[in-house]
Amino acid sequence: KAGVTQTPRYLIKTRGQQVTLSCSPISGHRSVSWYQQTPGQGLQFLFEYFSETQRNKGNFPGRFSGRQFSNSRSEMNVSTLELGDSALYLCASSERPGNTEAFFGQGTRLTVV
Amino acid sequence: AQSVTQLGSHVSVSEGALVLLRCNYSSSVPPYLFWYVQYPNQGLQLLLKYTSAATLVKGINGFEAEFKKSETSFHLTKPSAHMSDAAEYFCAVSDAGNTPLVFGKGTRLSVIA
Repeated sequence: KAGVTQTPRYLIKTRGQQVTLSCSPISGHRSVSWYQQTPGQGLQFLFEYFSETQRNKGNFPGRFSGRQFSNSRSEMNVSTLELGDSALYLCASSERPGNTEAFFGQGTRLTVV
Repeated sequence: AQSVTQLGSHVSVSEGALVLLRCNYSSSVPPYLFWYVQYPNQGLQLLLKYTSAATLVKGINGFEAEFKKSETSFHLTKPSAHMSDAAEYFCAVSDAGNTPLVFGKGTRLSVIA
């Protein structure tokens, strides 16, 4: 069974640009969550999607958005990038909301210059 | 709101020695508790979880953790450290599985030969 796939693995963007990150969950998993990991703030919850609906949203500005498609794949978008958005973005998938068994992808390392 | 405190951002042990990583949580309802491990440039891997069944939970790679409600703790232990255990460890809490995971800041474990 394939794991959680995040693309791309590495990304370098310039301040002010926008970026889209992709996450393909494990086959059969319908819940996808996104987390931002930085050395200073640690792991912070961004959003959770289930069956194409956003169930929960973390405390991030509106520049951060996401969506989930009918095949459970998810994307997150960050507009007007700031230097502080440099981070490892992790996606986790689970069969259903509740995170009792969340499987994480390897992450996308975003660097904003 | 839930929160997690991991005591010690860096723990160093000798190979073969006991590993003890501390985690205290705060939750207003019965919590679900998790330990994850992260190797460099990788995502998070679930080590073990507590979801209100047995208070002593056994996980992968010889790790175990004990849920102590009176102490609001969920410390991670392993009797004998291996070099391969060197990684970052995260404790996380969820509100009975109904809320997104809230992570501690992490503890980096170093194993000395």
